[in-house]
Amino acid sequence: EVQLVDSGGGWVQPGGSLRLSCAASGFAFSGDAMNWVRQAPGKGLEWVAYISGSGTTKYYADSVRGRFTISRDNAKNSVYLQMNSLTAEDTAVYYCAREDHPARYYYYMDVWGKGTTVTVSS
Amino acid sequence: EIVLTQSPGTLSLSPGERATLSCSASQSVSTSYLNWYQQKPGQPPRVIIFGTFNRATGIPDRFSGTGAGTGFSLTISSLEPEDSAVYFCQQYGGSPPYNFGQGTKLEI
Repeated sequence: EVQLVDSGGGWVQPGGSLRLSCAASGFAFSGDAMNWVRQAPGKGLEWVAYISGSGTTKYYADSVRGRFTISRDNAKNSVYLQMNSLTAEDTAVYYCAREDHPARYYYYMDVWGKGTTVTVSS
Repeated sequence: EIVLTQSPGTLSLSPGERATLSCSASQSVSTSYLNWYQQKPGQPPRVIIFGTFNRATGIPDRFSGTGAGTGFSLTISSLEPEDSAVYFCQQYGGSPPYNFGQGTKLEI
């Protein structure tokens, strides 16, 4: 079964750090790009970060660039999101999601983790 | 950055009725790169339409998508109670590589 299990969320004070993890199973992980998407309470979806299958290409939303770092360990079938200098605006459910690109013609997120909750509060 | 604007914000309909959800882009989007997601409370999103027209695996044929350029729509031909959800359009490409519309809440 293709599956993503995200973890590592919790409560942190403003200015603090947290590292999220996403463990993949059931597919050839190193061949697929991965994303982190977040959803603040009662709000819509916000794309946060992207990493290519090899890990050499990374993109970030303007709202997190310079504070968040996406990485992956293909030997462990895992992707990570290191979050530093957290603010209340980072409070959200964070989802990892796999990018599918059939024939490199369509691009969408076809597999999602259940999400891990990050709360930034004093 | 391409901005996606969805309308209406909330749609309230009855079972068996037809729902049409709109997604307007601030710049032209390739039909290959416009997707729709369904999200139910407490669940992650799931893709229902990719590349404007294509139903994802396991999605019933009452869901259909169409559009081109800056105007796209998702139609649910005969609503079922389980279709109650928030629907997001999403585009791929450019910088940032992904962005989402703000969502339409569909109440059955």
